[in-house]
Amino acid sequence: SAVISQKPSRDICQRGTSLTIQCQVDSQVTMMFWYRQQPGQSLTLIATANQGSEATYESGFVIDKFPISRPNLTFSTLTVSNMSPEDSSIYLCSVAEGSGEKLFFGSGTQLSVL
Amino acid sequence: QKEVEQNSGPLSVPEGAIASLNCTYSDRGSQSFFWYRQYSGKSPELIMFIYSNGDKEDGRFTAQLNKASQYVSLLIRDSQPSDSATYLCAVLMDSNYQLIWGAGTKLIIKP
Repeated sequence: SAVISQKPSRDICQRGTSLTIQCQVDSQVTMMFWYRQQPGQSLTLIATANQGSEATYESGFVIDKFPISRPNLTFSTLTVSNMSPEDSSIYLCSVAEGSGEKLFFGSGTQLSVL
Repeated sequence: QKEVEQNSGPLSVPEGAIASLNCTYSDRGSQSFFWYRQYSGKSPELIMFIYSNGDKEDGRFTAQLNKASQYVSLLIRDSQPSDSATYLCAVLMDSNYQLIWGAGTKLIIKP
């Protein structure tokens, strides 16, 4: 499976600031996804990062709050903008292999907003 | 009704016994089913996937799928303390080709 590097691994941020999370894959992948996992809960898909086009956002997530870049087939960033304590969560980058159903995850970014 | 349901647990199983984890889903047309293991503070890791009715075995792990009853199970034989983790069930919904996640079952293997 692909090796996925995600950074930062954790950060503590002030309310109103922004944080950009980076995801680097060691091979070219078509589909990359950004998930959020709040404490004790399951995974919620934020958006699908498409190379060369706008990301596709899920219900409840908007581009102004979570802008995503996908400049090539091995890299993507997710920015959490104008943060509030409600954004405190683990953010996970994932890639799909095979027919696009099997997901593999980066190590995650634990974000705390004060 | 949630689309993918799991008992949150914790499920406590003695070392060496069989741990049985269950997952039910709502979309009858779903074709692909996945089990992920997530250790505390770590990201999910794919451990099993199953597409056809019946059993699929991989080492100490067996995935069981019953499409008529709309449930998928994960059995862990000879449970080890290192199996203690949260197990997430994920189902690829036929209706919109989206991967839907259960809330996870926390498994504790007691030495």
